[in-house]
Amino acid sequence: EVQLVESGGGLIQPGGSLRLSCAASGFTVSSNYMNWVRQAPGKGLEWVSVIYNGGSTYYADSVKGRFTISGDHSKNTLYLQMNSLRAEDTAVYYCARGRGGDCYDLWGRGTLVTVSS
Amino acid sequence: DIQMTQSPSSLSASVGDRVTITCQASQDISNYLNWYQQKPGKAPKLLIYDASNLETGVPSRFSGSGSGTDFTFTINSLQPEDFATYYCQQYDNLPITFGQGTRLEIK
Repeated sequence: EVQLVESGGGLIQPGGSLRLSCAASGFTVSSNYMNWVRQAPGKGLEWVSVIYNGGSTYYADSVKGRFTISGDHSKNTLYLQMNSLRAEDTAVYYCARGRGGDCYDLWGRGTLVTVSS
Repeated sequence: DIQMTQSPSSLSASVGDRVTITCQASQDISNYLNWYQQKPGKAPKLLIYDASNLETGVPSRFSGSGSGTDFTFTINSLQPEDFATYYCQQYDNLPITFGQGTRLEIK
């Protein structure tokens, strides 16, 4: 079955770090554009980061310098390392596959990150 | 950044109605626009890609049109399962940006 399963969310204090994982099955992560998209409680969708199949990475200005996207080909898993977390990073984080570029045709169920003291 | 202005922000309609949502880009994005549906507690689902192409498995009552800066999303003959929030998304330039969403409610 083709699917994405996120994990690693939780409650973290401001300034802390967290690593999210997104395990893929049924397709190869490294052959696709893979993205992280987040949604703050009661709010809309916000693109966070992308890693292209050639390895290039890009970030939203709001997370640049604090978050790092990466992939592990052997584990077929996407990661998001989040450092220096802020209250405004509180959101459900989704990983999403970009078909043909940035048409997000496959999404995980999401993992909730809560940044609070 | 490209701003996506979606309207209306909310909409009440009845089963069987035809509804239209618009999305305006702050600059020309050609046809690099997608539409998603999101139900509470669920991940978004791709409905329309490249402004007017119906995603595989999506009912034909959903349609999209437009190019450049002005886009339209239409649902013909609303069904009970269509009550959800809809988002447009541009992918002409990074950062990828979404409209603020349109919440479609039952009248």
